[in-house]
Amino acid sequence: EAAVTQSPRNKVAVTGGKVTLSCNQTNNHNNMYWYRQDTGHGLRLIHYSYGAGSTEKGDIPDGYKASRPSQENFSLILELATPSQTSVYFCASGTDSNTEVFFGKGTRLTVV
Amino acid sequence: QQKVQQSPESLIVPEGGMASLNCTSSDRNVDYFWWYRQHSGKSPKMLMSIFSNGEKEEGRFTVHLNKASLHTSLHIRDSQPSDSALYLCAARRNNNRIFFGDGTQLVVKP
Repeated sequence: EAAVTQSPRNKVAVTGGKVTLSCNQTNNHNNMYWYRQDTGHGLRLIHYSYGAGSTEKGDIPDGYKASRPSQENFSLILELATPSQTSVYFCASGTDSNTEVFFGKGTRLTVV
Repeated sequence: QQKVQQSPESLIVPEGGMASLNCTSSDRNVDYFWWYRQHSGKSPKMLMSIFSNGEKEEGRFTVHLNKASLHTSLHIRDSQPSDSALYLCAARRNNNRIFFGDGTQLVVKP
C-alpha cells in the first residue's frame, strides 16, 4: 500500500507562532493534498499540488501556505497560527488518474 | 458552498441490518466518486470507487451511481459492529481536485 508519512503527529503551538506540517510520500505520486478535519466533520481542502514546484489553493486557503519542493515532500505552513486553526490535518497523495488517494495518519494541531 | 452533500448525518442500524447512505454533488464537472470509511481517531481508508452509471458490489458493500443526477449511494448489508464509523463521500473534479462531504456517522448496535 502507498505510504504517506506526516510529521509531527501532534503539535501544540502558541497564537501568533509559525507552524510547519510536513508530509512525505514514497510512491512517486504527482498529486498531493492537505485537508483539515474538525471534530465529527468531513475533510476540507486547503491546498493541493500537481507536482514539484506547484501549489494550488483549495477551498479554505486563508491563513495557510503550501510548499512542494520535491516530488516526495509537501509542507503546510501557518505563518501566524490562530486558535481557529486547531484541528486534525491530513496529507494525501494520488496518481494523475487519482483512482485512489492515500492518506497519512494525520497531525493533531492545537493552537493555544 | 458545500459541493458534496451527504445524508443522513447519522444512522443507527441493528447488527445484521442494512445501512443505506446517500451522496449528491452539486458540481457538474465531477467525474469520479469514492466512499471512504474512517474509524474514530484513524485516517480515512477507501472502501469503493465508482465512475460509471450503475452498480458495483464488493462483498457486503454495494455502490450505485446515477451520473445524470450526480447521486451515489452506499449500501452495507449484514452490518457488523465493526462497520461503525464515519463514512465519507468524495468527488473528483478536473482530474485532480478532490473534495469531501461532511460524512454519515454509522452506528451498528449489537
